[in-house]
Amino acid sequence: DTAVSQTPKYLVTQMGNDKSIKCEQNLGHDTMYWYKQDSKKFLKIMFSYNNKELIINETVPNRFSPKSPDKAHLNLHINSLELGDSAVYFCASRQARGMGSPLHFGNGTRLTVT
Amino acid sequence: GENVEQHPSTLSVQEGDSAVIKCTYSDSASNYFPWYKQELGKRPQLIIDIRSNVGEKKDQRIAVTLNKTAKHFSLHITETQPEDSAVYFCAAPRNSGNTPLVFGKGTRLSVIA
Repeated sequence: DTAVSQTPKYLVTQMGNDKSIKCEQNLGHDTMYWYKQDSKKFLKIMFSYNNKELIINETVPNRFSPKSPDKAHLNLHINSLELGDSAVYFCASRQARGMGSPLHFGNGTRLTVT
Repeated sequence: GENVEQHPSTLSVQEGDSAVIKCTYSDSASNYFPWYKQELGKRPQLIIDIRSNVGEKKDQRIAVTLNKTAKHFSLHITETQPEDSAVYFCAAPRNSGNTPLVFGKGTRLSVIA
């Protein structure tokens, strides 16, 4: 029943590995995002997709590659993981509306790179 | 692009007192201002939002006020309860309309019983 679901919830891996996080939303929204929340709780936009098309890439290293096979899914693949990638990654979605609309967040994926 | 400043970074209040968190934004074209609550280990959840065509909105113990001229908006929580303890984030669109939300740095609210 979760509107925005992402897996896995926890991810522990070593430096240099490649990992993926998956996200799906069943709200029928046309826009999906990846946000990164660091240890200080700052929430920063990474990517924005609208109807499967990349709209925004917020100066994220190209080791991060998002993929949207359809408008209900937005996955995040990370190559050559570094210690500084440790954070909580949130997927989110919203329906585009003229006066703005709320973001719906997934439960987050806590990535720990050792 | 939008810049959102949020104050204070931490706030402690006695149970039953009011709490006020303030945010300023830089882009005068911004037209949508949500507030999110994040409990420990959980996702941010929308608690209230306001659009630029109104100056105030209330939902039970929570209210948000918007001053477009001064480019600031505030969250007011009355009769605080221990379960209000969380991190609160304000946000504004990076540009107008439906561009990604830019978040403030958060306010950690502690309600002391």
